[in-house]
Amino acid sequence: QKEVEQDPGPLSVPEGAIVSLNCTYSNSAFQYFMWYRQYSRKGPELLMYTYSSGNKEDGRFTAQVDKSSKYISLFIRDSQPSDSATYLCAMSPGWGTDKLIFGTGTRLQVFP
Amino acid sequence: DADVTQTPRNRITKTGKRIMLECSQTKGHDRMYWYRQDPGLGLRLIYYSFDVKDINKGEISDGYSVSRQAQAKFSLSLESAIPNQTALYFCATSDTRVSNQPQHFGDGTRLSIL
Repeated sequence: QKEVEQDPGPLSVPEGAIVSLNCTYSNSAFQYFMWYRQYSRKGPELLMYTYSSGNKEDGRFTAQVDKSSKYISLFIRDSQPSDSATYLCAMSPGWGTDKLIFGTGTRLQVFP
Repeated sequence: DADVTQTPRNRITKTGKRIMLECSQTKGHDRMYWYRQDPGLGLRLIYYSFDVKDINKGEISDGYSVSRQAQAKFSLSLESAIPNQTALYFCATSDTRVSNQPQHFGDGTRLSIL
């Protein structure tokens, strides 16, 4: 079993929809949680970074961490075609962010 | 200009050849990392470096070597390339002068070994 599980998609939604992307994990030592966005032929770009549990909002993006369920989510409000990309979750233990464990990524398509 | 620059962006080569992928950064970060990305497997850590004199193996270091020539430069070598090393390779950096900062990635090198 992988330490981090992520549905590969593709997830296809109409413009304006609310998108929910999710990862589950098995290692209770994970404390740092990140979401990266990766466009085709580009490197992962950091979107959201949270420590421990709770919510964090940045514009149209909200990251949620539920450590009791070992579940993290990224919500995208008012989705745009420019949000079409692969979204990677990543996490690391509480002693530092050197050894990130990545999910395999969810491909999102937002159509006009 | 990109903060993390990888060269080359694309490379096709033959089995048995020696290959070097290069990474340079202008962010002033102390830590640098090399990952490979494969479909269905996600990003996996190959090597990472805390500074010029500190190199550490990651999850999948066999068949690879690295050199940290300066704080801003970190290269990855495949001494004798084999087809299952065909993948996307990414360099990343992080700044530990501020504790536990996330990693920032370059745009990758697409490597194909025939």
